[in-house]
Amino acid sequence: DAKTTQPNSMESNEEEPVHLPCNHSTISGTDYIHWYRQLPSQGPEYVIHGLTSNVNNRMASLAIAEDRKSSTLILHRATLRDAAVYYCILRSPLNFGNEKLTFGTGTRLTIIP
Amino acid sequence: GAVVSQHPSRVICKSGTSVKIECRSLDFQATTMFWYRQFPKKSLMLMATSNEGSKATYEQGVEKDKFLINHASLTLSTLTVTSAHPEDSSFYICSAVLAYRTDTQYFGPGTRLTVL
Repeated sequence: DAKTTQPNSMESNEEEPVHLPCNHSTISGTDYIHWYRQLPSQGPEYVIHGLTSNVNNRMASLAIAEDRKSSTLILHRATLRDAAVYYCILRSPLNFGNEKLTFGTGTRLTIIP
Repeated sequence: GAVVSQHPSRVICKSGTSVKIECRSLDFQATTMFWYRQFPKKSLMLMATSNEGSKATYEQGVEKDKFLINHASLTLSTLTVTSAHPEDSSFYICSAVLAYRTDTQYFGPGTRLTVL
């Protein structure tokens, strides 16, 4: 599986935007970029995913570099409830449905009140 | 949205006993469910992949006789930790995939197992 690299931790002030980076220099042409987050003592939660174009949903935005070797998850206005570990995961559509998710160490986001 | 539940949310048991954890997809049918384990401050590690009506596929290093998985219906998978020992204490999390939308996994809230 193509590997992703994320900073171990980040801090952000409440009500400010947060940009969480992910590097995936060995991404293949068909790999999708998925983001999940895990709040304390809970199971992971799907956030967003994309292939080439930037994506927006009610939770966040995903900005994908033109060469697809990196991406950035954007939380437009962080709240205390956004404090979590954020995982960037590459997935091949050939394996959707029966593919395990390989979780790295993720980025632990701390929100400062 | 798709909701996955787990029961119990936490369990404490004595060493040597068996514990069953249920994973249910509440509002959708799940052809595939996954079981993960997570130790404190560590990332999730897949234990096994469970398909309805067939035997589970275990990851390397996971003892299938110790961690029994049954996926009897499209909405229920169970994980039984047999003869549990303190080293089995962990956070167990299941996930499910919708039959008609396979690009997203939906996770349960997790079960905290403590073996005394």
